[in-house]
Amino acid sequence: EAQVTQNPRYLITVTGKKLTVTCSQNMNHEYMSWYRQDPGLGLRQIYYSMNVEVTDKGDVPEGYKVSRKEKRNFPLILESPSPNQTSLYFCASRNAGTANTEAFFGQGTRLTVV
Amino acid sequence: QQQVKQSPQSLIVQKGGISIINCAYENTAFDYFPWYQQFPGKGPALLIAIRPDVSEKKEGRFTISFNKSAKQFSLHIMDSQPGDSATYFCAATSGNTGKLIFGQGTTLQVKP
Repeated sequence: EAQVTQNPRYLITVTGKKLTVTCSQNMNHEYMSWYRQDPGLGLRQIYYSMNVEVTDKGDVPEGYKVSRKEKRNFPLILESPSPNQTSLYFCASRNAGTANTEAFFGQGTRLTVV
Repeated sequence: QQQVKQSPQSLIVQKGGISIINCAYENTAFDYFPWYQQFPGKGPALLIAIRPDVSEKKEGRFTISFNKSAKQFSLHIMDSQPGDSATYFCAATSGNTGKLIFGQGTTLQVKP
C-alpha cells in the first residue's frame, strides 16, 4: 500500500529535550515536506526537500532541522523544543515533474511541549 | 506573509445546500491550484485541482471556479452531505518546485 508513515503519532515532551519525528514514504517520491497545522493558520511549510541531500526552508523553519540522506526518509528534528512548537505536524511526499502532482500526507504527529 | 488567503474560517450548511469556499492568491507564478480535504485524525487528501488555463473544473458534486484576472478561486460543493463535514484547504504552487502553499483552512459542518 502506498503510504507516508510518521512516528510517533503522539508525543509529550519537556522544553529543551531534543526530539526527532520520523517520516518514511514507499512511493519513490522525490519531493518531501514537513508542515505544522495550527488553528486559524492552516498548514504552514517548515522545510521541504526536492531530492536526496537537497533541502530548503519553508515559511516557518525557525527551531527545526531536517535531513534527507535517503530518498524514502525525511526526519524532522527539534534540537531544543519550546512550548510554541506545540502543534500538529504532517509529513508529505509527491512526485517531481513539470506537471504538478498530488501530495500524499502522513497521519500526523501531535506534539505537546511543556 | 500569507500568500494564499482562504475564507470563511468556518461554514455551516444544511444538507442538500451549496457550500462555497473562497481563496485568493498573490503570486502570479502559481500554476497549480489543488484543494485538500481533511477528516478529524487524518492527514489531508487531494480532492480536486485546477490549472489556470481553464476557468472551471467539475468532479461529481465538487467544482472549482477559477478567475485568473482576479487571482481568486473557489470550491463549490453541490448537494452538500453530512459526510462532507471536514476541513478544506486550498493550496497553490508553481512549476517544478517543492513549495506547496496552503490557505488557512475552512471547517465545514453539514447539518442533517
